[in-house]
Amino acid sequence: EPEVTQTPSHQVTQMGQEVILRCVPISNHLYFYWYRQILGQKVEFLVSFYNNEISEKSEIFDDQFSVERPDGSNFTLKIRSTKLEDSAMYFCASSEEEKLFFGSGTQLSVL
Amino acid sequence: AQSVTQLDSQVPVFEEAPVELRCNYSSSVSVYLFWYVQYPNQGLQLLLKYLSGSTLVKGINGFEAEFNKSQTSFHLRKPSVHISDTAEYFCAVRRQGAQKLVFGQGTRLTINP
Repeated sequence: EPEVTQTPSHQVTQMGQEVILRCVPISNHLYFYWYRQILGQKVEFLVSFYNNEISEKSEIFDDQFSVERPDGSNFTLKIRSTKLEDSAMYFCASSEEEKLFFGSGTQLSVL
Repeated sequence: AQSVTQLDSQVPVFEEAPVELRCNYSSSVSVYLFWYVQYPNQGLQLLLKYLSGSTLVKGINGFEAEFNKSQTSFHLRKPSVHISDTAEYFCAVRRQGAQKLVFGQGTRLTINP
């Protein structure tokens, strides 16, 4: 079965640093998403992306966050200046119609 | 806004016993409903979904769920569990016409031999 690939699986960064999380969605999918899960809390929606623009975003997705599809295969989430509270597991997903396919996540630790 | 409550954070069950994982949701508009499973060190995988039609939906690995509109519930069931069902299970809703999924807090299912 095709899968969504995320790299790296773990990322450690210093507070205030920029970080880029990378994802390769399934090739024929049109919708792309980022979700995150802070330890012990619910999985939360961050943003959806369609036709090269953000189609929906949550209150969490403020000016510190941005997404990009720099080429035909990658989908990235950038956090400009990381805070301690950005530490979480970040999941990328892509979809065709109603079924979302999730990657295995990137564990981001901000020190 | 939508919200999802999974009433049990952990459910321990013996192998071959039946299991029910409970999910209640709140929404003022029509929603689609989903159950996802997360095995250790893996991403979320869709188990089943309710979009419309029959309120009893069957998914992968022998799981099924019943949509009950009057009780705003979407409980997940399996008549006989296996050790390999040990995982975290997430209920989620999506407002019709929207993109984002709203998740419950998850239920950790542990199968004991």
